[in-house]
Amino acid sequence: AQTVTQSQPEMSVQEAETVTLSCTYDTSESNYYLFWYKQPPSRQMILVIRQEAYKQQNATENRFSVNFQKAAKSFSLKISDSQLGDTAMYFCAFIPARGSNYKLTFGKGTLLTVNP
Amino acid sequence: NAGVTQTPKFRILKIGQSMTLQCAQDMNHNYMYWYRQDPGMGLKLIYYSVGAGITDKGEVPNGYNVSRSTTEDFPLRLELAAPSQTSVYFCASTADRGMRSNQPQHFGDGTRLSIL
Repeated sequence: AQTVTQSQPEMSVQEAETVTLSCTYDTSESNYYLFWYKQPPSRQMILVIRQEAYKQQNATENRFSVNFQKAAKSFSLKISDSQLGDTAMYFCAFIPARGSNYKLTFGKGTLLTVNP
Repeated sequence: NAGVTQTPKFRILKIGQSMTLQCAQDMNHNYMYWYRQDPGMGLKLIYYSVGAGITDKGEVPNGYNVSRSTTEDFPLRLELAAPSQTSVYFCASTADRGMRSNQPQHFGDGTRLSIL
């Protein structure tokens, strides 16, 4: 079974600054996908960024980037030039890359507040 | 382009009542999922389906039932509502290979359900 741990229940950052959200996971799988989802107050679940475990290069999407450390089973999200609209719950999630297991496993989330 | 549509958005039930949460997608996705999100927690998988006529249990299936008679619809039924089922329910869908696909993953806006 997989587990995903987000050790920071809440974080805050000043507008325009950079913040890093932590995520660690545990699995016996060798290949898998990792995701960061954003859930703003509207409650929509929005996919922010995706990383495939067999790719060594860290994924980047505009102001969002990840630091993927496979050996350490760590997958942190860096948000640069934070904006007020980045205020949301952020969830880390995991899914194996093969087999008939199509289930995403989520962490408990980190509430990020961007202050003006 | 409607995406994933969930109805109702809010509902209050009495203990012991039954109801069906509706989920429909218009993207011809094979994979559909039902999650529940309890306060301060991530999403937990209730049931999922890999195509019409095929469903399987997730982490927390007890107290729920699903059916998938068409590709478009994936209703979730609560037979005897209990206070422990008070939660926000999300439906999601994706195309090939479930959540492992490079295709976008779509979530509905959620249904907030209170059992009193």
